[in-house]
Amino acid sequence: GAVVSQHPSWVICKSGTSVKIECRSLDFQATTMFWYRQFPKQSLMLMATSNEGSKATYEQGVEKDKFLINHASLTLSTLTVTSAHPEDSSFYICSARDSRQGTDSPLHFGNGTRLTVT
Amino acid sequence: AQSVTQPDIHITVSEGASLELRCNYSYGATPYLFWYVQSPGQGLQLLLKYFSGDTLVQGIKGFEAEFKRSQSSFNLRKPSVHWSDAAEYFCAVGAPGSQGNLIFGKGTKLSVKP
Repeated sequence: GAVVSQHPSWVICKSGTSVKIECRSLDFQATTMFWYRQFPKQSLMLMATSNEGSKATYEQGVEKDKFLINHASLTLSTLTVTSAHPEDSSFYICSARDSRQGTDSPLHFGNGTRLTVT
Repeated sequence: AQSVTQPDIHITVSEGASLELRCNYSYGATPYLFWYVQSPGQGLQLLLKYFSGDTLVQGIKGFEAEFKRSQSSFNLRKPSVHWSDAAEYFCAVGAPGSQGNLIFGKGTKLSVKP
């Protein structure tokens, strides 16, 4: 079945540094990928929609200059948390849908990245 | 406002017992409905979804869910729980063709007693 690979699975960084998270669709193409954030004991919240070859669309309240998204190919989207602070510590999950299938086709989720900012 | 409510934060059931996880939603129209399962430190796996048609939908791992329009509910059920079902379960809604803009509930953590 369709697989979404997310890397790294966890990362610890110092406050003020930047962290890049990769999301790859391994056996399908995805013109659109989605980035979610999940705080402890909370639900997933959509942060942004990553569009191949164009700018990402950010949800209200998400700082686009802080969470840089690049979707340079049909199988890779990256999320860079710039100048990370402890309040950015969270679980980040990406998802993607096979572009060859319709918009009703299922989303495939990565295994997430646990970011801890010290 | 659009929202999803999972009233039970944590449920513990005995292995072999039946299970029902509740989900209520508030949405302008009949949305697409989903149940996902998340194991610790993992991403989400789709259990089942409802788009239209038969209101009782079958999913993977022996799960089923019933859409009740009058109650704005989409409860998840399993007749006999296995220890491997221990995980967090999320109900989600989305507009038809809404791409990834799903609204998730806060989740219900399921523990299974031997």
